[in-house]
This record gives sequence, structure tokens and C-alpha cells, in this order.
Amino acid sequence: DIVMTQSPRSLPVTPGEPASISCTSSQSLLHNNGYNYLDWYLQKPGQSPQLLIYLGSSRAPGVPGRFSGSGSGTDFTLKISSVEAEDVGVYYCMQTLQTPYSFGQGTKLEIK
Amino acid sequence: QVQLQESGPGQLKPSQTLSLTCTVSGVSISSGGYYWNWIRQHPGKGLEWIGYIYYSGNTYYNPSLKSRVTFSVDSSKNQFSLKLSSVTAADTALYYCARGNIVATHPDGFDIWGQGTMVTVSS
Repeated sequence: DIVMTQSPRSLPVTPGEPASISCTSSQSLLHNNGYNYLDWYLQKPGQSPQLLIYLGSSRAPGVPGRFSGSGSGTDFTLKISSVEAEDVGVYYCMQTLQTPYSFGQGTKLEIK
Repeated sequence: QVQLQESGPGQLKPSQTLSLTCTVSGVSISSGGYYWNWIRQHPGKGLEWIGYIYYSGNTYYNPSLKSRVTFSVDSSKNQFSLKLSSVTAADTALYYCARGNIVATHPDGFDIWGQGTMVTVSS
């Protein structure tokens, strides 16, 4: 099974400052079709998770431009260029390259 | 607007069978390009993927639950369902259904989620 590891687990950020979350997979997520099957989700307090980034770097519809995803193979990063108060919550990466699909443990972003 | 809505018993006793239904609106469950998922979240914990079902009936179950879980789809009602047998307190969790997208003929992320339904197993 593919194990997903996120860091940091907790991320205090001052509004207006950038933030970065790392996700590492135990196996490459690069499919032979050229796509990385790695997604990012945000679960705001009391809400269902919402898709932010799919295929490693494509923003989902309606997701603000301050969110970006990068990486390939086993190392991926989610960046927020300028954190806003509404960005608080838990961020998860997830792989769908291989069953069983698996999530990272989550990174809790809080406002300083 | 595509929406998913979970429904279920809320509470059940150990050894009983949990039955949950996800009602899909705004898109036909039989339309191509999608697959349908169950995910759960234990209180205060992270996300655990339970498995998927396609409208064709093709399923995959996470090995951690494979011996106890069954999915089904009812295209006439635009619903898909989960059954989990022999529940214990360890199955107490918030259960979500979610739509997955097929990208380049391969399953990708979950773009639409239900609001979740809390299931408590207690004697």
C-alpha cells in the first residue's frame, strides 16, 4: 500500500504570509499517462472536505488563485501565497494512483 | 448543481449491520466519467477511504474493511449504498459519500462530497 506522509502536522501562519505543506508518498504517483494522481483537500471546521488541487497541480473550479500545487513522483507541495483567515482548517493530500487510495495524516493550519 | 446526501440510522448496536445510502442529485449516477466513493472519519481523526463503486456495479473495497463491507448502486433512484456488517465501537465515525472524477481513463480526486452522517455504535 502507498503511505502518504505530510509535514508539518501543525502550521501557525500570520495573515498575509505564505504557507507551504509537504506531502511525500512511499511510491511514485506518476502514471504512465504522464499525470501525477495526487490531490489536495481542505476540511474547514465543521465542514466536509473540499477539493483544492487535482493531478498534483491543477486547481479545482472555484478555488482561489492563492492556492497552488507542485511536485512529481514522490514529493509534492501545496502553497498558499498569502494566507487569509478563511483558509484555516486541516489540509490533506491523497493519492489515487493505486488502490487502496490513501490520505496523508493532515496538516492543521491555524492563524497566529 | 450536483449534490450528494447521506442517510442512515445514526445509532446502532454492536454486531448489527450498518446501512447507509447516498442520494445523488444534479447528475445521473449512470453518466460516464465518474465513480462513487465512501470515506469515513473517526472522531477527531483523519480520513479513511472505504472504497468505490461504478454505476456498472464494479467495486473496490479497502482491505481493512473488505470482509465486512458491501456496496450497491440503484440507478433508478440515483443512489448508491454501503452495508457494513458486524459493527463495533471502532466503526463509530462520520461517514461521507463523494463523487470521483475519471481523468485520462484513471480515477482521480473527489470533487463533490456529501455533508456526512454520524454513525455511533454503542450498546
